[in-house]
Amino acid sequence: QQQVKQSPQSLIVQKGGISIINCAYENTAFDYFPWYQQFPGKGPALLIAIRPDVSEKKEGRFTISFNKSAKQFSLHIMDSQPGDSATYFCAAKTSGSRLTFGEGTQLTVNP
Amino acid sequence: DAGVIQSPRHEVTEMGQEVTLRCKPISGHDYLFWYRQTMMRGLELLIYFNNNVPIDDSGMPEDRFSAKMPNASFSTLKIQPSEPRDSAVYFCASSLVGQGKGYTFGSGTRLTVV
Repeated sequence: QQQVKQSPQSLIVQKGGISIINCAYENTAFDYFPWYQQFPGKGPALLIAIRPDVSEKKEGRFTISFNKSAKQFSLHIMDSQPGDSATYFCAAKTSGSRLTFGEGTQLTVNP
Repeated sequence: DAGVIQSPRHEVTEMGQEVTLRCKPISGHDYLFWYRQTMMRGLELLIYFNNNVPIDDSGMPEDRFSAKMPNASFSTLKIQPSEPRDSAVYFCASSLVGQGKGYTFGSGTRLTVV
C-alpha cells in the first residue's frame, strides 16, 4: 500500500511537445506529492509538489494534475525543451513519514 | 547554504575492502536519509534518522551495511566487506519536518567494487 507506480519507464518527445508522466498510489493517507528531476551525475532535485486539497498546480512550463478519486497524479511539461531531458521521479508521503518514490521516467527531448 | 555535501564523489575499491561514505546535511535539518540508486532497482531507501536517531533501517540490505549519525552535522554509511553487487550511486538527503519542501539530495557517491 506504500507503493507509488510510475509510467512510462521512458519517454521520447520532440522539442515543443508536451511530456506527460503518470503516477498512481493506493495509500489514501498520502498528503504530499512531489516530483523530482534528476540530471546525470546529480542527485534528484525537487521540481514541483502538490497537496491533495487542489487539483492542479502550475509552475512555469510544469504542471501537476491531481485526481484524488482515482488516486492518480501526473506531471505535464509544456513546450518541452532538450534541457528538460532528465529522469523524473514522482513521490508521495504522509505527514511525518518518509517519501515513497516511483520507479522513475527517463525523458528525452529531441531537438 | 552549501546544500547536502557528500564525500567522496567517486570510490573504486576491491571486493572485501571496507568502504565509508560521508554526508553533511543542511544545517538545521532534522531528518537524514541514505538512498542507493541502481538501474535495476531505482531509488532504494536504506536508512533514515530523525534528530540523529535511526528510525528505520529495514532497507539496509545486509549486516555488511551500517550507518551512524554521531551528531546533527555528520553521518556515515559503511560497507564491510564490500562486494561487486554493492556497486551503485549512494545518495544522502536531508529535510526539515514541517518545511513542506521535500528532501534536499546531495550529489551522490558513485561506488564501484571490483
